Amino acid sequence: GAGVSQSPSNKVTEKGKDVELRCDPISGHTALYWYRQSLGQGLEFLIYFQGNSAPDKSGLPSDRFSAERTGGSVSTLTIQRTQQEDSAVYLCASSLEQGDEKLFFGSGTQLSVL
Amino acid sequence: SQQGEEDPQALSIQEGENATMNCSYKTSINNLQWYRQNSGRGLVHLILIRSNEREKHSGRLRVTLDTSKKSSSLLITASRAADTASYFCARGRPGKLQFGAGTQVVVTP
Repeated sequence: GAGVSQSPSNKVTEKGKDVELRCDPISGHTALYWYRQSLGQGLEFLIYFQGNSAPDKSGLPSDRFSAERTGGSVSTLTIQRTQQEDSAVYLCASSLEQGDEKLFFGSGTQLSVL
Repeated sequence: SQQGEEDPQALSIQEGENATMNCSYKTSINNLQWYRQNSGRGLVHLILIRSNEREKHSGRLRVTLDTSKKSSSLLITASRAADTASYFCARGRPGKLQFGAGTQVVVTP
């Protein structure tokens, strides 16, 4: 695609529910990244993929968070048993390859946990 | 802790004025990047400066890097209302870029 696409753009859920956030990177980009941004804050690194593998999962805040990537393309970030502190904008980015420092970001998913 | 810290936190200027913001970091870097974020959503890459570079230009943007002081600055010349955004510096190894809290710039007509 022309850019990084994320869906949904907005998600409102109740505390305790599971949510899935989707990221469709730029076609041909092998590296994919997930960040989280709380209101008025900088970006918090969550996880990145090189192809379908995630060499570094250290940024995931708890075991309620998981992510996968299939076919070297679309990635899904899943949050189980959501908590109010999970409310944030979840941003996905891709780059041509790991080591290519320039990241292209999607518009994010605004997650609100009530 | 954040690896890039921007200063000031907020900046308000009038159209036509220059805007300068700074970024400090703690450990050695290979490069440093600046990004812009409009309306709290996706970030747009502005410029990358490598550790062996001291200054870099892109249109109305000028970035400097002082590795001895572990700091970088972003200058926006002749600002426009459309420059209203948050600006972030980012550094770190590929795959784990770390961002500061950003400088919020407001340009009033």
